[in-house]
Amino acid sequence: GQQVMQIPQYQHVQEGEDFTTYCNSSTTLSNIQWYKQRPGGHPVFLIQLVKSGEVKKQKRLTFQFGEAKKNSSLHITATQTTDVGTYFCAGYDYKLSFGAGTTVTVRA
Amino acid sequence: DAGITQSPRHKVTETGTPVTLRCHQTENHRYMYWYRQDPGHGLRLIHYSYGVKDTDKGEVSDGYSVSRSKTEDFLLTLESATSSQTSVYFCAISGGGAGLTRADTGELFFGEGSRLTVL
Repeated sequence: GQQVMQIPQYQHVQEGEDFTTYCNSSTTLSNIQWYKQRPGGHPVFLIQLVKSGEVKKQKRLTFQFGEAKKNSSLHITATQTTDVGTYFCAGYDYKLSFGAGTTVTVRA
Repeated sequence: DAGITQSPRHKVTETGTPVTLRCHQTENHRYMYWYRQDPGHGLRLIHYSYGVKDTDKGEVSDGYSVSRSKTEDFLLTLESATSSQTSVYFCAISGGGAGLTRADTGELFFGEGSRLTVL
């Protein structure tokens, strides 16, 4: 069945540095969504990618959908303490499947 | 934030007792979902609803039942709680995306979660 894998599971980042988290699907996706969950909070929608090769930016966050629509990435530049949390990707095939998330901590 | 409220927010119960979690929305969205969140597993779908009295199973539905008698309310019931059902439960709603399946999702709006501990 459909599986969505995220790597890395944990990301420890120095404030000001860049990092990337990756999402890989075992099947071709119709779209992919990204969510952010702050510690103790609930997941909040960030963005949805639909087209092959699509790239979208939100300030310091860059989201990309792979050409084959089986993978995606989230790149954060100049990490800030406000970026702390867990980032989930969710791939939609015939159902929406969430990855296990990348938990980001930031060293000031 | 979308108008979603979950109750109770915290509950401690004993093995074998029934538990009902309630999700209430004021957005008149068609789709409602129940997820559980456990460390290392992300969010796993328990059940979902695509309309009043229309529900279907998700990937971890064993031991859970749901009901939706009104558009705004989606209830999750654990008939006989077990320790493996200790988790954080999230309700989510969606107005539906561009796809054509019953489980189609556009953007999901999540409630604040219900933390359930089964002793």
